[in-house]
Amino acid sequence: NAGVTQTPKFQVLKTGQSMTLQCAQDMNHEYMSWYRQDPGMGLRLIHYSVGAGITDQGEVPNGYNVSRSTTEDFPLRLLSAAPSQTSVYFCASSSRQGNSSPLHFGNGTRLTVT
Amino acid sequence: AQSVTQLDSHVSVSEGTPVLLRCNYSSSYSPSLFWYVQHPNKGLQLLLKYTSAATLVKGINGFEAEFKKSETSFHLTKPSAHMSDAAEYFCVVSELRGADGLTFGKGTHLIIQP
Repeated sequence: NAGVTQTPKFQVLKTGQSMTLQCAQDMNHEYMSWYRQDPGMGLRLIHYSVGAGITDQGEVPNGYNVSRSTTEDFPLRLLSAAPSQTSVYFCASSSRQGNSSPLHFGNGTRLTVT
Repeated sequence: AQSVTQLDSHVSVSEGTPVLLRCNYSSSYSPSLFWYVQHPNKGLQLLLKYTSAATLVKGINGFEAEFKKSETSFHLTKPSAHMSDAAEYFCVVSELRGADGLTFGKGTHLIIQP
């Protein structure tokens, strides 16, 4: 079982460059989300989606775009990378938003912006 | 609104001794509570969850947590630490009603001394 797959595992960008972090899940989960993890900050929600064609902002959405054209895929786009976006990014999915359904996480993408 | 506080950023124990990781929460509604574990360079994995059933919850790898409403706590324990328990642990709260989704604590780094 693949679960949640994130690519790439590592990425280095220069300031101003754009890129897309890929996320795919094979569990037919409705809910998908993107978090960033920074030292001492825990995980902070960037964007989330409750189903194909529906997305919404989380706690720290600025500088990021998302789309959800299929149930399986939820890519995160950095429009113009900034050093403040250096972080580890996690994609997660669950069968329902919040409440009692646990999240399934990918292994993360470590992004460095120089 | 909901929030979660992990009272210790680092906990160090000797192998074979008990583990206690402390978590306090606040919630306007009946919350669901989770503990996740993150090993180095990995995504988060669910250890256990509380969803208004039994107040003592058993999880994987010998961990358990007790929901105490009067103290608004959900501390994680294990009777005997193993070297493989060394990791980062996150307490997470989710309200059953409301649109806030999940709120993560800032994490507790568990160190196991040989």
